[in-house]
This record gives sequence, C-alpha cells and structure tokens, in this order.
Amino acid sequence: ETAVFQTPNYHVTQVGNEVSFNCKQTLGHDTMYWYKQDSKKLLKIMFSYNNKQLIVNETVPRRFSPQSSDKAHLNLRIKSVEPEDSAVYLCASSKYEQYFGPGTRLTVL
Amino acid sequence: GEQVEQLPSILRVQEGSSASINCTYENSASNYFPWYKQEPGENPKLIIDIRSNMERKQTQGLIVLLDKKAKRFSLHITDTQPGDSAMYFCAASGSGSFNKLTFGAGTRLAVCP
Repeated sequence: ETAVFQTPNYHVTQVGNEVSFNCKQTLGHDTMYWYKQDSKKLLKIMFSYNNKQLIVNETVPRRFSPQSSDKAHLNLRIKSVEPEDSAVYLCASSKYEQYFGPGTRLTVL
Repeated sequence: GEQVEQLPSILRVQEGSSASINCTYENSASNYFPWYKQEPGENPKLIIDIRSNMERKQTQGLIVLLDKKAKRFSLHITDTQPGDSAMYFCAASGSGSFNKLTFGAGTRLAVCP
C-alpha cells in the first residue's frame, strides 16, 4: 500500500515532556511537510523538507524540530510541550499534489 | 507570504441543491489551487485542483473556477448529497512541489435531507 503513515494516532502527555511523532511516505515523493491543525480546524504549515533542505515557518516555536533520515521519513520532535501545543499534527508529502497522513492527536495536560 | 481567505465559514444547503465556496488569495505568483475535503476524525483528502493555466475544471459533480485577475477561485458542488457534509478547505501555492500550501480557514458544509 502506498500512502502517508503516521504514528502514534494519539498521545497524551504532561506539560514539559518531550514527544516525538513519526511520519513515513511510500509514495516516492521528494518533499514532506508537517502541519498543525488546531481545535478550530485551522491548518498551518510548520515545516517543509526537500532533499535535506528545510524551510521553517517563522512562527513555529524553537521547541519544535523536524528530523529526517531519508526522503521517505520526516519525524517531528517537540521539546518541553506546552498546553497550546495540543492539536492534530498532520504529515504530508508531495511530488505535485499533496497527500496527508492520518494525523497524530496530541493532548497536553 | 500568501494569505487565503475562504467564505462562508458555515454553509447549510438542502439535499439536491448546489453549494458554492469562495476563496481569494493575495500573491499573484500563486499558480496551484487545490481543494480538500475533511470528514470528522479523518485527514484532509484532495478532491479537485486547478492550475493557473486553466479557468475551469470539472470532475464528478465538482466544478472549480479560477479568476486570476480577481485572484479568486471557487468550488461548486452540484446535486449535493448527505455524504458531501464535511469541512472543505481551499489552498494556494506557488510553482513546484516544494512550495507550501497556504490554506483557507475552512467551510463547514451541512447537507440537510
């Protein structure tokens, strides 16, 4: 099956903890992305990654960092989570059209 | 950067009627305009897109129109069905796959029987 896969589906954690989310695409795409979708369903780009070139949305706090081992994987690490980080994190990949993974719902208590 | 405005935020229509969602963008260099449908608990799914070399595209009950002069594009769903009820997002991006999508705020469509 070719698609965008994300793990975990859900994650509940305490303020100040570190979390990591995984994303893998088997579509053979060159570019991957992380988006944040908040409780109002607003979709905001966080990072895009192409051939080891990272473009960061300047509004993303420094506690967020993407990690890539190859063009099929782009993970997201959050150091010291805060309550406003509660959201759904969507990974996507593209060659031309962009396709989304199922998302990881993060709840910060 | 790009800014995309999407209206309306909520749209209720009767089953069988048509529904229209409108988006405007600011960056005249934007040349790719996809539409996504997101059902509750699901990820956004690409339903139709249009590039700047076209003014109209149609597929399976969906029509998208693009007016580059006005920097406006729209989605029209003909003969709506209850299964069309969902969030719809428009987006805009520049050329090439590396260009990020800027999304509108979404339209919650409810198709009433």
